[in-house]
Amino acid sequence: GENVEQHPSTLSVQEGDSAVIKCTYSDSASNYFPWYKQELGKGPQLIIDIRSNVGEKKDQRIAVTLNKTAKHFSLHITETQPEDSAVYFCAASLPYQAGTALIFGKGTTLSVSS
Amino acid sequence: DAGVTQSPTHLIKTRGQQVTLRCSPKSGHDTVSWYQQALGQGPQFIFQYYEEEERQRGNFPDRFSGHQFPNYSSELNVNALLLGDSALYLCASSVGTGGMYWTGNTIYFGEGSWLTVV
Repeated sequence: GENVEQHPSTLSVQEGDSAVIKCTYSDSASNYFPWYKQELGKGPQLIIDIRSNVGEKKDQRIAVTLNKTAKHFSLHITETQPEDSAVYFCAASLPYQAGTALIFGKGTTLSVSS
Repeated sequence: DAGVTQSPTHLIKTRGQQVTLRCSPKSGHDTVSWYQQALGQGPQFIFQYYEEEERQRGNFPDRFSGHQFPNYSSELNVNALLLGDSALYLCASSVGTGGMYWTGNTIYFGEGSWLTVV
């Protein structure tokens, strides 16, 4: 079945630095790749998503890139701020299935120190 | 515009008991999925409901069942609770169900229901 690997598991940066989180997926039929931010005690909040017909998408300080050939996708956060500290999850849609079923990575704990 | 709402937020049950969790999808959404998130892990897909039917299911036993109502709200039921069922249960909503050529609709999650089994 589909498998999503996420690295690193923890990431510590200084305020203003950039942060990059990388994910790989196993099934080439996956066609939707969202990223979620989860703060302690809360549900996952969608921060950006990308579809398989797009290679890159940007929203202010956040960008996502997708390499379908290599089955990689990455989250880039620029000019990090302390409020960016949280757990970030990547996910990939289950192929040949209704689109709302997602397989998640194990998460990256991002710490931004001021 | 209300987002995905879940109830209760926290509950404690005894091993062997049964629990029902509830979810109201985001306005305009007709598809509800349920996920289980153990501490320190990513969410795991339990099942999805669309047009009041279970459309697909993850690797969870039959003790986990659900229902979708005509107003698109949904319930998750877990029977014969085990200690290992302790987790955050998340509801996610979106529009439609796509199949093989689906290119994705934005998926929103609720804040979850924390279940502790003792």
